[in-house]
Amino acid sequence: GNSVTQMEGPVTLSEEAFLTINCTYTATGYPSLFWYVQYPGEGLQLLLKATKADDKGSNKGFEATYRKETTSFHLEKGSVQVSDSAVYFCALPSGSARQLTFGSGTQLTVLP
Amino acid sequence: DAGITQSPRHKVTETGTPVTLRCHQTENHRYMYWYRQDPGHGLRLIHYSYGVKDTDKGEVSDGYSVSRSKTEDFLLTLESATSSQTSVYFCAISESPDRGVGYGYTFGSGTRLTVV
Repeated sequence: GNSVTQMEGPVTLSEEAFLTINCTYTATGYPSLFWYVQYPGEGLQLLLKATKADDKGSNKGFEATYRKETTSFHLEKGSVQVSDSAVYFCALPSGSARQLTFGSGTQLTVLP
Repeated sequence: DAGITQSPRHKVTETGTPVTLRCHQTENHRYMYWYRQDPGHGLRLIHYSYGVKDTDKGEVSDGYSVSRSKTEDFLLTLESATSSQTSVYFCAISESPDRGVGYGYTFGSGTRLTVV
């Protein structure tokens, strides 16, 4: 089945630093790709998505480009804030019911 | 989001006892999912439902059962709780997998279960 491999954490950055969290996928065809974010004590929220190759998803200053050549969907942000501290999950659909398969998550801490 | 609620939010139970977690939605979505979240494992699918009384197993279904007698409720039961089932449990809903190709999930806030 489809799977994702996500950059191990934790990642600690200073405020206004550039962020990259790597995600690579293995899939049949070109499924949609997702990034979810989990703030402390909360459930996961959809951060952004891309539905086909070469699409760029963006939201709240975060971006990710669906690259079929490198089977990657890396998450980037040009200038992180303390409020971006959270766990980030890469995901894609897999299986007959298109259930989402998640990466192991990357903990991001942004220091003031 | 108010469209999906999980109960209870926290529970402590003893080994060997049955436990039922509830997921309730007001979105009338057809698909519902139960995941567990553990450090180093991300989220792993336990069971899912694609309609009333239609359910199927996920990758970590041993020791769990589910029921869906109406669209809005999806129950997860630990038949005889063990310490390895201490985890945070998340419910998610989705409108349909056809739209789900580009659609994504809405998650509940989670239930933290401790088995002692």
